Amino acid sequence: KNEVEQSPQNLTAQEGEFITINCSYSVGISALHWLQQHPGGGIVSLFMLSSGKKKHGRLIATINIQEKHSSLHITASHPRDSAVYICAVRYRDGDTGNQFYFGTGTSLTVIP
Amino acid sequence: NAGVTQTPKFRILKIGQSMTLQCTQDMNHNYMYWYRQDPGMGLKLIYYSVGAGITDKGEVPNGYNVSRSTTEDFPLRLELAAPSQTSVYFCASREGTQYFGPGTRLTVL
Repeated sequence: KNEVEQSPQNLTAQEGEFITINCSYSVGISALHWLQQHPGGGIVSLFMLSSGKKKHGRLIATINIQEKHSSLHITASHPRDSAVYICAVRYRDGDTGNQFYFGTGTSLTVIP
Repeated sequence: NAGVTQTPKFRILKIGQSMTLQCTQDMNHNYMYWYRQDPGMGLKLIYYSVGAGITDKGEVPNGYNVSRSTTEDFPLRLELAAPSQTSVYFCASREGTQYFGPGTRLTVL
């Protein structure tokens, strides 16, 4: 039930490239979150999704509920985007609906 | 708003010692969480709370205890520290989006 898988684990890109990070999960969810963990360790929430698509600046997050899959896209990547990106889901089940389950993260390095 | 604050930032404990990790949020959120993050692993939920006076176990609660006497505070207690508790601990609060504290890096030797 708590399987959240991310791919790729590591990603190196040249500045300006379009980047896609994927997240898949195993059962129905009430929400999916994308988080960013900076090299210094701090974690910030980028998006919360339950359906469709959201955009914030150069970041776009999409979710396909039927396929149990979400993607995080970064357009025109920049070295300051270098971070670990983490997918987290909150399941619909009553017992675990208040808990989050996390992927192991995608480590992104953007080279100038 | 200060958001979610955690103290201490770093701590070294000897095996068998006890300590409390403090977490405070000033956003009046009902939901609060404690996670641990080990190298190469995803965040794991230790305990969570849906409001003052209510706490529940997460995936990895053994060796820890929590209390939630107020909406603002959610301390995590380690009793009889063990090397397996060496980790980075994050507190978070939620009302929709999750807000994370800066983390506490704990080493047990």
